[in-house]
Amino acid sequence: TQLLEQSPQFLSIQEGENLTVYCNSSSVFSSLQWYRQEPGEGPVLLVTVVTGGEVKKLKRLTFQFGDARKDSSLHITAAQPGDTGLYLCAGGVRDSNYQLIWGAGTKLIIKP
Amino acid sequence: DSGVTQTPKHLITATGQRVTLRCSPRSGDLSVYWYQQSLDQGLQFLIQYYNGEERAKGNILERFSAQQFPDLHSELNLSSLELGDSALYFCASSSTGHNTGELFFGEGSRLTVL
Repeated sequence: TQLLEQSPQFLSIQEGENLTVYCNSSSVFSSLQWYRQEPGEGPVLLVTVVTGGEVKKLKRLTFQFGDARKDSSLHITAAQPGDTGLYLCAGGVRDSNYQLIWGAGTKLIIKP
Repeated sequence: DSGVTQTPKHLITATGQRVTLRCSPRSGDLSVYWYQQSLDQGLQFLIQYYNGEERAKGNILERFSAQQFPDLHSELNLSSLELGDSALYFCASSSTGHNTGELFFGEGSRLTVL
């Protein structure tokens, strides 16, 4: 069974602080996606990483794919209340049945 | 706006009943996915269709069934409902049927079983 473990499950910090969310597995992924879900809405794709060691930046968000393509991290610099939401990672497995393997999510609250 | 439309947005029903959730994918997307999300939890993959045919099956109960019609819209049927079926049900669509493609999610259908 392929699993994606996200940590922490819950994080509540003050505006302006930095944070990192992790997504780990024992499986190798051909790609990894990060989504953000706000209350009452569906998840929205933030980024897709496909190459081991790849780093992508989206304003204050930095995404990294591990060299072995088994793990990923999301770092937020100077968090803002608008970053509040559920962050989900999803890994694509080359030999899977076309589906993504989803992490359980990290619920992030940024307090003003 | 993702371009994916789900109806109804909210649904309250009783145990033992049957409901149908409807999804219209983004224009041009051939692949439709159904997910279940319980309160503050991650997404549980239920089933995927690609151009009218079932492509992948996840943790879908036998009481649940789905189909994709020739116009590419999809329906998820939930029968003999139990309290534990209360959840948000999301539909997502993708232009490809592969797992590197971006998924576009609807706003979900919130099902409450009393």
